Amino acid sequence: EAQVTQNPRYLITVTGKKLTVTCSQNMNHEYMSWYRQDPGLGLRQIYYSMNVEVTDKGDVPEGYKVSRKEKRNFPLILESPSPNQTSLYFCASGARAGANVLTFGAGSRLTVL
Amino acid sequence: GENVEQHPSTLSVQEGDSAVIKCTYSDSASNYFPWYKQELGKRPQLIIDIRSNVGEKKDQRIAVTLNKTAKHFSLHITETQPEDSAVYFCALNGGFKTIFGAGTRLFVKA
Repeated sequence: EAQVTQNPRYLITVTGKKLTVTCSQNMNHEYMSWYRQDPGLGLRQIYYSMNVEVTDKGDVPEGYKVSRKEKRNFPLILESPSPNQTSLYFCASGARAGANVLTFGAGSRLTVL
Repeated sequence: GENVEQHPSTLSVQEGDSAVIKCTYSDSASNYFPWYKQELGKRPQLIIDIRSNVGEKKDQRIAVTLNKTAKHFSLHITETQPEDSAVYFCALNGGFKTIFGAGTRLFVKA
């Protein structure tokens, strides 16, 4: 089944404790992206990747890092989480960058205390 | 950067009525305009999209219209049903990014 898988689905952590949210897709998509969803603000792009070893900042990249060492994986790293990073995170992938359909993962709800 | 404004933020309709959600944008280079539906506790999923070489596209009870001159596009849902209750996001491509509106929460009252 074609899908985007992200883990963990739920996480409660404390300020400053590094964490990684994994994202994997099995559709051989070139494009992958991370969004955060906050009430009233829609889906805001954190980082995106157009292919292996090619990443770029979205609209809200502060406090996050990403890597794209393999085509299927695009982990989101929070080096020193802060309470303002409490949010619902979605990973998404698309065949190519730009004008194409995005397939979303199920979401990861992160709480930083 | 590119911005997309979506209205209304909340919409309540009676079952069987129509619902219209409108989005406006500023970057005339955008050429792809998808709409995503997000049911409560679920992930966003594409319901319909339109590209800049067409003005209207229809799929059963949903349709999207695009006015590139005025830089706005709209989602139309006819004969609404309770299962249409969800948050709807418009989006567009801004270069290599997909940029989303803030969302419209649609309530369909039975």
